[in-house]
Amino acid sequence: EEQLVESGGGLVQSGGSLRVSCAASGFIFSSHSVNWVRQAPGRGLEWVSYISATGSRVSYADSVKGRFTISRDNAKNSLYLQMDSLRDEDTAVYYCARTVKYAFDLWGQGTLVTVSS
Amino acid sequence: QSALTQSASVSGSPGQSITISCTGTSSDVGSYNLVSWYQQHPGKAPELIIYEVSNRPSGVSNRFSASKSGNTASLTISGLQAEDEADYYCCSHAGSYNWVFGGGTKLTVL
Repeated sequence: EEQLVESGGGLVQSGGSLRVSCAASGFIFSSHSVNWVRQAPGRGLEWVSYISATGSRVSYADSVKGRFTISRDNAKNSLYLQMDSLRDEDTAVYYCARTVKYAFDLWGQGTLVTVSS
Repeated sequence: QSALTQSASVSGSPGQSITISCTGTSSDVGSYNLVSWYQQHPGKAPELIIYEVSNRPSGVSNRFSASKSGNTASLTISGLQAEDEADYYCCSHAGSYNWVFGGGTKLTVL
């Protein structure tokens, strides 16, 4: 079964850092680009970041550019999001999502990041 | 990177059809045939129901159909069923490996 499983969420103080992870299984991870998408409590979806299959290309939403860093380890079938200088408005469930034909066809269950001032 | 515009809510009775619209700009919806739609039930992760404007992934009911005209995309659900009650989000590629989502539409089946 194809699966994405996020981990690493938790409570962090405003201005702090946190790294969330996503473990892939059931498909050839190194053949797919992947993304982070977040959802603040009671709010809509927001695309956060993209990384190509090889990791050579990355992109970020303006709201996180310069603060968040996406990376991947294809040997470990894992995706990461390093979040620095966290703000209250970064509080959200963070989903990893696989890209196929410029759509997000496989999602994890999400991990909650809470930023408290 | 402004969010795509969706109506906040829509409702319909079982068996009826409803349409959800999604308005973007010439920089996203209008420039690319890369609009996708997602269904999200409460407490669950989103699920892809439409990609490349009008294509359904394997396993998605043919009661779901979609189209695009200019800067506006639309999702139609026919033969409404209770299980269709959920939040629906449109999404468009916006160039340079950036994406933008709509604000979401809550569908209530009466």
